[in-house]
Amino acid sequence: SQQGEEDPQALSIQEGENATMNCSYKTSINNLQWYRQNSGRGLVHLILIRSNEREKHSGRLRVTLDTSKKSSSLLITASRAADTASYFCATDAGSSNTGKLIFGQGTTLQVKP
Amino acid sequence: GAGVSQSPSNKVTEKGKDVELRCDPISGHTALYWYRQSLGQGLEFLIYFQGNSAPDKSGLPSDRFSAERTGGSVSTLTIQRTQQEDSAVYLCASSLSVGEQYFGPGTRLTVT
Repeated sequence: SQQGEEDPQALSIQEGENATMNCSYKTSINNLQWYRQNSGRGLVHLILIRSNEREKHSGRLRVTLDTSKKSSSLLITASRAADTASYFCATDAGSSNTGKLIFGQGTTLQVKP
Repeated sequence: GAGVSQSPSNKVTEKGKDVELRCDPISGHTALYWYRQSLGQGLEFLIYFQGNSAPDKSGLPSDRFSAERTGGSVSTLTIQRTQQEDSAVYLCASSLSVGEQYFGPGTRLTVT
């Protein structure tokens, strides 16, 4: 069963606008990660936020985590056409902290030039 | 250094045939993961190797699926008696420890 539910499923914005994607999960976690996928092939790690962290930044990316609501958001500021991709959240929820990830269904982002 | 590599990049096979998919992780990475991604879907965890520990096979969908990791490095995912529902992109990832996973480009399997 899927741990993560992502919202929206698809998002279309103009270049320069901000894009916000949300992820909800069901069980307690060790950490939550965001990945990007281009053209349905390999994924690229974007950012990891631990369960005791509330916000993290990396360049134009801002991730928040609310463990009380079991939700996370990914904000991409000043979007570019090159940001067009699918974005997935993934949770590490293993009791032995194995690193095994459960992925959400993803948000498809289109940034129009 | 080299990233995770997978071969073949594409595989077309007839229903009922066996297939082997290969993954070469990043050198030194102790953890190796296999995932499956069906068209337009998220990733489905299949199996996880960590060092010399027994693998976590909890995600394998049936006993037609098996995987090995030889010498703590290269891994092979084998699907016996392939079915059309096995058609998907099979992704391999490795990591040094718990945390960020590095993904290969995947093998697109088509069962006709």
